[in-house]
Amino acid sequence: EVQLVESGGGLVKPGGSLRLSCAASGFTFSSYSMNWVRQAPGKGLEWVSSIGGSSRYIYYADSLKGRFTISRDNAKNSLYLQMNSLTAEDTAVYYCARDRIVVLTDAFDIWGQGTMVTVSS
Amino acid sequence: EVVLTQSPGTLSLSAGERATLSCRASQSVSSSYLAWYQQKPGQTPRLLIYGASSRATGIPDRFSGSGSGTDFTLTISRLEPEDFAVYYCQQYGALPYAFGQGTKLEIK
Repeated sequence: EVQLVESGGGLVKPGGSLRLSCAASGFTFSSYSMNWVRQAPGKGLEWVSSIGGSSRYIYYADSLKGRFTISRDNAKNSLYLQMNSLTAEDTAVYYCARDRIVVLTDAFDIWGQGTMVTVSS
Repeated sequence: EVVLTQSPGTLSLSAGERATLSCRASQSVSSSYLAWYQQKPGQTPRLLIYGASSRATGIPDRFSGSGSGTDFTLTISRLEPEDFAVYYCQQYGALPYAFGQGTKLEIK
């Protein structure tokens, strides 16, 4: 079964850091571009970052201002998101999602269940 | 950057009716790299349509997508009770990738 499972969310104080993980299974992880998407409580979806299969291509939403770093470990079938200098505006459910097919860009066909990040003092 | 505007914000219809959801882009979407997702309360988004008009695996044929350039439409031919949800469009043809703000399809 193709599956993505996020972990690492929780409560963090403003200015703090958190590292999210996404464990992939059921497909050849290294072949697919992967993505992070977030959703603030009661709000819509917001694209955060994408990374190519070999990590050669990495993209971020401009609003992150260099605070987030996406990475992957293909040997461990895992995707990561390092988040620094967190503010209340980063409070959201963070989803990892897979590109539909093995090309440079595609829609996101497999999503994890999400992990909640709450930034509050 | 491409901004996607969905309309209407909320659509109230009854089961069996036809639903038409709109997604308008601020500039042309490259190669029709436009997707539609469905999200029910407390659930993960589900890919419905990619490439503007291709149904994703397992999606019923009552869902159809159309459009090109800057104007795209998701049509649900006959609403089933399970179709009432929030729908998002997304462009993935140019960075930054972007989602529309969503259309809530509610039971009338």
